[in-house]
Amino acid sequence: NAGVTQTPKFQVLKTGQSMTLQCAQDMNHNSMYWYRQDPGMGLRLIYYSASEGTTDKGEVPNGYNVSRLNKREFSLRLESAAPSQTSVYFCASSVAGGPREQFFGPGTRLTVL
Amino acid sequence: SQELEQSPQSLIVQEGKNLTINCTSSKTLYGLYWYKQKYGEGLIFLMMLQKGGEEKSHEKITAKLDEKKQQSSLHITASQPSHAGIYLCGADGGGSNYKLTFGKGTLLTVNP
Repeated sequence: NAGVTQTPKFQVLKTGQSMTLQCAQDMNHNSMYWYRQDPGMGLRLIYYSASEGTTDKGEVPNGYNVSRLNKREFSLRLESAAPSQTSVYFCASSVAGGPREQFFGPGTRLTVL
Repeated sequence: SQELEQSPQSLIVQEGKNLTINCTSSKTLYGLYWYKQKYGEGLIFLMMLQKGGEEKSHEKITAKLDEKKQQSSLHITASQPSHAGIYLCGADGGGSNYKLTFGKGTLLTVNP
């Protein structure tokens, strides 16, 4: 099992460019999450999907959109990147209806110039 | 909304020393999760605590959840360089949306 995979690992964008971060899990988990991690701010939830077909805003959703493509895949899109979106992005997944341990991907390091 | 405060923010210890990291919640904890993160990598799950007074151990790491379920501690015995990294606590505030709130982390350095 690969667990949670994320692509790309690194990305540099110019202000105003768009991109999609991909996330996939092979653990048959129902719930998936996108976080950003910034120095001094910890992990903050951007969006989550409690189950296939549903998505909800987290703590810092502005400037982002998400798509739960199927049970395995959950993508995060930046329509018009801004320097404030420079961060490390983590995708995570968890089972539904039981212990809520989340399994994390390796992260995507994004720089917006 | 639930907030988690971790202390200390950073910690430098000599190899072989014991240490404790604390995580205090602004609200009752329904589940408390400890993770470890090495620089540039994702989070690795360590332990989950759900019941007041619960204590779990894995190798030289012990985590406890106090009786009132508003504070947890992570204790490392005889620290090793392999214990170095960022330790984060995550809290489940109940409800059905499975969201976790995370503390800002504690950076642990272990000097050989």
